[in-house]
Amino acid sequence: AQKVTQAQTEISVVEKEDVTLDCVYETRDTTYYLFWYKQPPSGELVFLIRRNSFDEQNEISGRYSWNFQKSTSSFNFTITASQVVDSAVYFCALRGGSSASKIIFGSGTRLSIRP
Amino acid sequence: GAGVSQSPSNKVTEKGKDVELRCDPISGHTALYWYRQSLGQGLEFLIYFQGNSAPDKSGLPSDRFSAERTGGSVSTLTIQRTQQEDSAVYLCASSWLTAKRGSSGNTIYFGEGSWLTVV
Repeated sequence: AQKVTQAQTEISVVEKEDVTLDCVYETRDTTYYLFWYKQPPSGELVFLIRRNSFDEQNEISGRYSWNFQKSTSSFNFTITASQVVDSAVYFCALRGGSSASKIIFGSGTRLSIRP
Repeated sequence: GAGVSQSPSNKVTEKGKDVELRCDPISGHTALYWYRQSLGQGLEFLIYFQGNSAPDKSGLPSDRFSAERTGGSVSTLTIQRTQQEDSAVYLCASSWLTAKRGSSGNTIYFGEGSWLTVV
C-alpha cells in the first residue's frame, strides 16, 4: 500500500525565517514519483516540483529547496527567507511507477507566515 | 485547452437532487483524475481514468457516485440523491499517461475545482 504522511498539521513562522515541511512516504514500487503542491487561499492547486525515485539529486529553485532521502523515505521541502505570500497549504504526493496508478496525497501542512 | 477546465465553478443544490460536474482536461492528456476536498481537509481520491476506462474507482464513496469519460477527453462526475456530506470541492486533474521512466508526463495538473454545496 502507498501512504504519504505530513506530520505537521500547521506551522507558523515570522517572515524571513526559514521553514521546513516534512514528508514521509511508503511504497513498495521500485520506481515512483514524488510531488509537492501549493494550495493558496484562493484554492487552486499549484504544482511545485516532481522528483523521480531514481534521481536523488536535491533541487533548489530560488528560495525553495527539496531534500529527497531514499534511505529514510522522506522528501522534505524548505523555504528560505519566507514571505507572507508563501502562506498556503502544502501537499506532498506520491505516484507509483505503474502506468495505472493514482496519486496519493498527504493531509497537507498549513503554513502561515506572519509579517 | 491550456489548462484543466471544470464546470460549474460553484453549485448549490437541494438535498436529494442529482448533480453533474464536468471536467475538460488539458488537450492530449490521457489520464484524468477526480478528487474531493472537504473544507479544511486533504485530497480524497475518487476515481482515475486511463483513456475512457477506469482502472481505479476505489475512492468513490457510495453507489450514488459515478463517473464517465467519453472520447478520451471530457469527464462527467455524477452524484445522485445528494446529501449534505457531499458538500466539498471536487477537483479534476489530468496528465499524460506514460510508464516511461522519468517522463514529465507523470506530473498531474489540477483544475480550479467545482464547489458543491448541498442545502
